[in-house]
Amino acid sequence: GENVEQHPSTLSVQEGDSAVIKCTYSDSASNYFPWYKQELGKGPQLIIDIRSNVGEKKDQRIAVTLNKTAKHFSLHITETQPEDSAVYFCAASSPTNAGKSTFGDGTTLTVKP
Amino acid sequence: GAVVSQHPSRVICKSGTSVKIECRSLDFQATTMFWYRQFPKQSLMLMATSNEGSKATYEQGVEKDKFLINHASLTLSTLTVTSAHPEDSSFYICSAREGGSLAFFGQGTRLTVV
Repeated sequence: GENVEQHPSTLSVQEGDSAVIKCTYSDSASNYFPWYKQELGKGPQLIIDIRSNVGEKKDQRIAVTLNKTAKHFSLHITETQPEDSAVYFCAASSPTNAGKSTFGDGTTLTVKP
Repeated sequence: GAVVSQHPSRVICKSGTSVKIECRSLDFQATTMFWYRQFPKQSLMLMATSNEGSKATYEQGVEKDKFLINHASLTLSTLTVTSAHPEDSSFYICSAREGGSLAFFGQGTRLTVV
């Protein structure tokens, strides 16, 4: 089955700096890669996603890149703000797995003011 | 994005009792709903997948008689934790998908069994 690895597990940056979180996946059939932000005591919130036919997607301060050959994808947050502090999860979804998403272990991002 | 409502957000129950958690898609029809369990500072663990009108598919190691899932309509799925024990205390989260890959999550339910 699919295996998703996420790094780093914790990340601390100064406000205004950029943050990068990386994930690798094992199933070459995976074709959908969402990123979720989870604040304490709440459910995950989709912040951006990318499909396998696209190499990069951007939405304001958030961008995601995908390298299908290397089977890795990354989340980039620019001009970080304290409210970006949360746990971020990457996921990979494959049609060979009934479209179920396999999640990474999460990255705790702390943005220091 | 689409809205998925989960209720209750918090519940405390006594050992041996059953607890029902509801997951509703408010502005779309969810052909598939997923139920997850999350322990503190850990990732989401998929418990089961439910498709409207059919039996849920449980992941390996998840007791189907303990975690009863019903997906009776395109907008509602329920998870019932039967004969709850303290080790069942956890954060339970549902997600709903209309048809494609995109899934939206509910707010989660914090279950505490005392």
